[in-house]
Parts: sequence; C-alpha cells; structure tokens
Amino acid sequence: QSALTQPASVSGSPGQSITISCTGTSSDVGGYNYVSWYQQHPGKAPKLMIYDVSNRPSGVSNRFSGSKSGNTASLTISGLQAEDEADYYCSSYTSISTLGVFGGGTKLTVL
Amino acid sequence: QLQLQESGPGLVKPSETLSLTCTVSGGSISSRTYYWGWVRQPPGKGLEWIGIMYYSGSTYYNPSLKSRVTLSLDTSKNQFSLRLKSVTGADTAVYYCARTGLGVGTAVVDPWGQGTLVTVSS
Repeated sequence: QSALTQPASVSGSPGQSITISCTGTSSDVGGYNYVSWYQQHPGKAPKLMIYDVSNRPSGVSNRFSGSKSGNTASLTISGLQAEDEADYYCSSYTSISTLGVFGGGTKLTVL
Repeated sequence: QLQLQESGPGLVKPSETLSLTCTVSGGSISSRTYYWGWVRQPPGKGLEWIGIMYYSGSTYYNPSLKSRVTLSLDTSKNQFSLRLKSVTGADTAVYYCARTGLGVGTAVVDPWGQGTLVTVSS
C-alpha cells in the first residue's frame, strides 16, 4: 500500500514551534486513532515519540505532541532544541493490510 | 528493560539468501501480548515493513516480499530470525528487528534493535 504523505523537510529556529503533517486516507489515518510518530537521528534506530495519535511514552519530553484532523495527523514540537534535529516518521494502522503503513519521513533542521 | 540486537552477515552476494537473527533480552518472545518483526530502511530512504511473527508461529508478510521471506523463532534461545532469498541490490538496507502488535498494534513499534546494514554485492 502507498506510504503516508509527509513533507520532505521542515525547519525552525531554537525556541520556535514546528508542525509535521502526515496525510493518509480514511482507510488509515482518517479512520482510526492509531497513529504513531518516530524520531530517528542519523545512524540510529527510530524511537517512538507518540502513539495512538497523541499519547507520549514515558520519558518523552512534553514538548512533543500529536493531533489529528480528518485524514491528516500532525506532530508538533515546541521550544525547538538543537537535539530535535532528526528525521521523523509517522505510522498508522491500515484496514487494507495486516501490517501498518509508514510515512515517507520528514527531515527537521534546527537553524 | 527490553532490548533487541540484530546479528548476521553484513555482505550478501546477489541471488543468495540474507539471514539475520534478533536476540531479545529483558523479556520473552513467548509473550502473548506482542508480535516480533522486521523493518528495513534502504540508504537514504524510508521505513518498510518486512513481516511480523507471533510466538505461536503465525506470520504476516509484506505482500511485496512475501514470496522471498521467511520468519522463524527459537523460544529456547529467545531469538527470532529473518531469511530473505534471491536478494538483489534493491535489498541493500539497514535491517531492524523490533517489537510490535497485530492489527491496530502494528502502528506501534517499540523498542527497536540498533539495526544492521546488509549490503548486497558481488
């Protein structure tokens, strides 16, 4: 199945807030509240940052938040820090496959 | 704390079989709550599911890879394995093992192994 659609890149200055979008269809993002977000630093494994649209695992900074509207989920990072510079991937349950579906990834640059 | 570690050859010749093993520590792969799976990431590209497996032996594969993939597990060693046959350069990627769920649970992948780069080249 097609990957979820994410912007290739976003950028922001330290202290600012940015939002990364993740657009799917009614068969995945729009139809269910099972969207996750992962952070991946270069050469490292992805790390779960948000699950079930807006829940943070223990240990994840509250500067990271998730939301959803229609077929688009969003990850917002507030108070940008240099350490937030990484690739971010969304993932969703999909009714048309047993396996979940990933987004194409977004590179966040902290200016 | 659950930890996963991939192991296996970093170089595989075209047309041969890629074999990787994931060793799980800090938890049991016989858990009735979770599935165990593999995700790969070609250099500079995004994440792709390969497949997932339950302790009972049930498996679910990415349709695009299904004809070439076999997942297995060894509960006595707390390990699960990936075999991908007839590899080509397109299979060059970092391969991650991870814990996930089934159905709605596949949206949550946590934790991940550190990943291992497998290059397909003669």
